[in-house]
Amino acid sequence: DVKVTQSSRYLVKRTGEKVFLECVQDMDHENMFWYRQDPGLGLRLIYFSYDVKMKEKGDIPEGYSVSREKKERFSLILESASTNQTSMYLCASSFPQGTRRGYTFGSGTRLTVV
Amino acid sequence: SQQGEEDPQALSIQEGENATMNCSYKTSINNLQWYRQNSGRGLVHLILIRSNEREKHSGRLRVTLDTSKKSSSLLITASRAADTASYFCATGVQGAQKLVFGQGTRLTINP
Repeated sequence: DVKVTQSSRYLVKRTGEKVFLECVQDMDHENMFWYRQDPGLGLRLIYFSYDVKMKEKGDIPEGYSVSREKKERFSLILESASTNQTSMYLCASSFPQGTRRGYTFGSGTRLTVV
Repeated sequence: SQQGEEDPQALSIQEGENATMNCSYKTSINNLQWYRQNSGRGLVHLILIRSNEREKHSGRLRVTLDTSKKSSSLLITASRAADTASYFCATGVQGAQKLVFGQGTRLTINP
């Protein structure tokens, strides 16, 4: 069963901490994505990557960075967590024509920053 | 930026009834996709319809696409309690590597 695995389902961090959210896929997908989901705002794209070491800003990249050192792993980094980054974070992956074939999502990480 | 907008935002029906959700978008697309999200989980891909298709079926799901009106609908027939979830449309634009998601319709099936 192919899948996208996010390292934590729930995470609580303190303001100012550096936070790493990890995502691993086993489908040999080239594209990987990080979204955040908030009530009333839907899914908003933070960053995406279409190849190893490549990254593109999404709609809301401020306060975040990403790392893709290996094809199967895409990490989202909150350099200094703030309370307004409390959210559900969703990772997804796809083939290069993922817009034509659909995304596979992980189960999500619910991050609370206190 | 949000392209797809679902309507209604929330829908509550009795088990066994049909559920219809609509999605409107703004620009030309390659395809339109529907996803389901159970509470607190990730999204699951349901069905994809290409811009040159008008209707597509998958089990109890029926999707229509009207490119002249820039709209799509998702029909779930003979609904079940397990269909309770949020449903999102997403549009694929030619040349783009990413989908654009709407804000979703929250569907509740009452037993």
